[in-house]
Order: sequence, then C-alpha cells, then structure tokens
Amino acid sequence: EIVMTQSPATLSVSPGERVTLSCRASQSLSSNLAWYQQKPGQAPRLLIYGASTRATGIPARFSGSGSGTEFTLTISNLQSEDFAVYYCQQYNNWFTFGGGTKMEIK
Amino acid sequence: EVQLVESGGGLVEPGGSLRLSCAASGFTFSNAWMTWVRQAPGKGLEWVGRIKSKTHGGTTDYAAPVKDRFTISRDDSKNTLYLQMNSLKTEDTAVYYCTTQGLSMTPVGWFDPWGQGTLVTVSS
Repeated sequence: EIVMTQSPATLSVSPGERVTLSCRASQSLSSNLAWYQQKPGQAPRLLIYGASTRATGIPARFSGSGSGTEFTLTISNLQSEDFAVYYCQQYNNWFTFGGGTKMEIK
Repeated sequence: EVQLVESGGGLVEPGGSLRLSCAASGFTFSNAWMTWVRQAPGKGLEWVGRIKSKTHGGTTDYAAPVKDRFTISRDDSKNTLYLQMNSLKTEDTAVYYCTTQGLSMTPVGWFDPWGQGTLVTVSS
C-alpha cells in the first residue's frame, strides 16, 4: 500500500497570506495525485487532479505542483473560506489519502 | 445539477448488518464507476471500495479492512448505488460517502462529486 504523509498536521495562518502544504508518497506516483478541501460537517471537495490541474470552478489562487513522491498545494491570498482541512490522495496504485493538514486562522 | 444522496445510516450493534444507499441524479449513472469512501469521527478519509460500470464489467474491488464483509452493488434502472455491510465492527463507525471516478464513460482516478455522507455507528 502506498502511504501518503502530509505536513504539517496543523497550520496557523492569517488571511491574505500565501501558504504551502506538503504531501509525500512512499513510492513514485508520477502525477497521479489529487487534492481535496473539507470544511466541518461537509463532504470533501475536489481542488486539484493530475498534481497540478484545477478542478472546475476552483479559484486560481489554488495551485498544485510536484511529481514522483513530493507534491505541494499552494494557496495564495488566503480567504476566510479557505480555512479547512486539506487532503492529498494518490491514484497511481489503488487509492490512499494523506492524514490531512488543518489550516486554522492565526 | 449533479447530486448524490446517501441514506441508510444509523446505530447498529457489533456483528450486525446495515445497507446504505446512494441515489444519483443529474448524470448518466450507468456510465459511472461508483465508489464508497469513509471517514471515522475526527479522522481522515479511507477508500472502501468501488464498482465499475457494466460496460466495464460491473466488477467490484474492496479495501482490505472490509473485504469479505462489505458488498457494493448498483441498480442502474434506479440510479442507485448500494453498500451492504455485514459483520460490522466498532472500527467501521464512520461517515460513509458516495462518490464517483468521473461522470463520463472513461473513469478517472480522482473522486468528484461527493454526496453529503451518512453516519454509521457500530456500538453496543
């Protein structure tokens, strides 16, 4: 099973800042990685697939990069609605999710 | 509007059974590979299993923790996905989400959209 490790587990940031979330895979994924946002009491929402392609309707302030085993999700100019938990998911070999990064308001 | 609506969750004793349903609308359900993902309280996301479209054989795949206990099925005439859960354990307590590997005849590896989820609590 491919293990996905996200860091940090929790991040305290201020609105307007730029933040980078990390996701590491235990083996190479090529670009078979997706990112999701989940707010309390809601279902996950797809943000990024193919490591760097934004899903329909996702603002340009969300960007993904990386390949192989190291991936990042960058959110620029943080808005109040961006404070949530973010998960990465690999689909190179079945499906596994990272443990999530919780982004809190500083 | 694409919509997935889960139902059937509730409280069940260890060793018991429960069947979840997911009603789909707004897309051609028969084309979609459908998936169940669960989330234990306060925890992360875990893939449970999937069923391919009948065009692709209609076969199922399961995660190791639920294999031989859970069964995924679909009724394309009713646009509904099912998850039959048997021999339930306390560690199966979670919100169960229905989602898809894409809405076209060509499946993708990511999941979109998602239903709102239904809570299953396994406790005596």
